[in-house]
Amino acid sequence: DAKTTQPNSMESNEEEPVHLPCNHSTISGTDYIHWYRQLPSQGPEYVIHGLTSNVNNRMASLAIAEDRKSSTLILHRATLRDAAVYYCILRDGGFQKLVFGTGTRLLVSP
Amino acid sequence: GAVVSQHPSRVICKSGTSVKIECRSLDFQATTMFWYRQFPKQSLMLMATSNEGSKATYEQGVEKDKFLINHASLTLSTLTVTSAHPEDSSFYICSARDIEGTGRGYGYTFGSGTRLTVV
Repeated sequence: DAKTTQPNSMESNEEEPVHLPCNHSTISGTDYIHWYRQLPSQGPEYVIHGLTSNVNNRMASLAIAEDRKSSTLILHRATLRDAAVYYCILRDGGFQKLVFGTGTRLLVSP
Repeated sequence: GAVVSQHPSRVICKSGTSVKIECRSLDFQATTMFWYRQFPKQSLMLMATSNEGSKATYEQGVEKDKFLINHASLTLSTLTVTSAHPEDSSFYICSARDIEGTGRGYGYTFGSGTRLTVV
């Protein structure tokens, strides 16, 4: 499984944008980039995913580098409810399982 | 849409007994379900992948005789922790993949988890 590297933790203030980076230098052409987040004592929640192009949805935006070796999850206006562990995961299009790395713990201050 | 129900949410059992955890996809059919365990302040660790009607595929280091997985229908998978011991205490999470998700990079929905405490 291709690996991802994320900072252990990041801090933000409420209503400010947050950029969560992820490095995946060994990504292959068939790997999708998934982002999930996990609140305490809950299962992970889908945030966004992409392959090559930048993606936007109601929760966040995903910016993918041109060489695909890194990506950034963008929360446009952080709220207290966005405090969670964010996982960047690569999934081979030919295989099904999601393998979680260590993730980034996002702290949001009022 | 795409809701996965996991039951029970919490369970306490005595050492040496078995515990069954259910994972149901409520509004979609799941050809594949996954089971994870998570220790405090750690990431999710994939235990096994189960496909409806066939044997589960276990990750390296996971005891298949201890963690029995059954995926008898497209909406239900169960994980049974047999002869549980205190070291099996953990947060167990299931995930189901929407049958429509094949090859399109999405369609994974997670249950809310089961906290198992073995005393």
